[in-house]
Amino acid sequence: AQSVTQLGSHVSVSEGALVLLRCNYSSSVPPYLFWYVQYPNQGLQLLLKYTSAATLVKGINGFEAEFKKSETSFHLTKPSAHMSDAAEYFCAIRGTGRRALTFGSGTRLQVQP
Amino acid sequence: DAGVIQSPRHEVTEMGQEVTLRCKPISGHDYLFWYRQTMMRGLELLIYFNNNVPIDDSGMPEDRFSAKMPNASFSTLKIQPSEPRDSAVYFCASTQRQYTDTQYFGPGTRLTVL
Repeated sequence: AQSVTQLGSHVSVSEGALVLLRCNYSSSVPPYLFWYVQYPNQGLQLLLKYTSAATLVKGINGFEAEFKKSETSFHLTKPSAHMSDAAEYFCAIRGTGRRALTFGSGTRLQVQP
Repeated sequence: DAGVIQSPRHEVTEMGQEVTLRCKPISGHDYLFWYRQTMMRGLELLIYFNNNVPIDDSGMPEDRFSAKMPNASFSTLKIQPSEPRDSAVYFCASTQRQYTDTQYFGPGTRLTVL
């Protein structure tokens, strides 16, 4: 079975500061990993995905994530936070042979002016 | 493309009533997923279909829940009878296996059972 754990249910940063949202995974097979963002009262939108190609994955809105097998991590980063980044972020995993995603508990990002 | 369409966007009903949630996936997508989001349990997969056939319904809470996909452009999730603990946001998502691993989510249906 696959699972992801997101460390920190709430993260607050100042505008212009580094954003770091943590995700660790557990999987017995090579995983596919995803970050989704959910703005208030909206559905989820894909930010980026890792599918066993390059370990550093670049996504939309300036976000990127690095797959580190030795640390079983897939942390999401952005060099400089914008007010518009305030949202909830979900890490998700899919094992080979199964199409459905398993989501983490989510991290709510607050950006202070 | 219009994206994944869900209706209604909001539903308020009384305990014991039947509730039907509807989803229209993106045209050409061959997988459809139903998720439920609550504060307590986060995002949970309820069931998913491939080419209109249910593949995994292990997440369906109990017999009160049922899902159908009569054709490639329509799916329903039915709760009968509804209970207050069913209050949640229900999301539908679709994807196309051949070309992308991205799931496209609808805006969700916020269900409140009184």
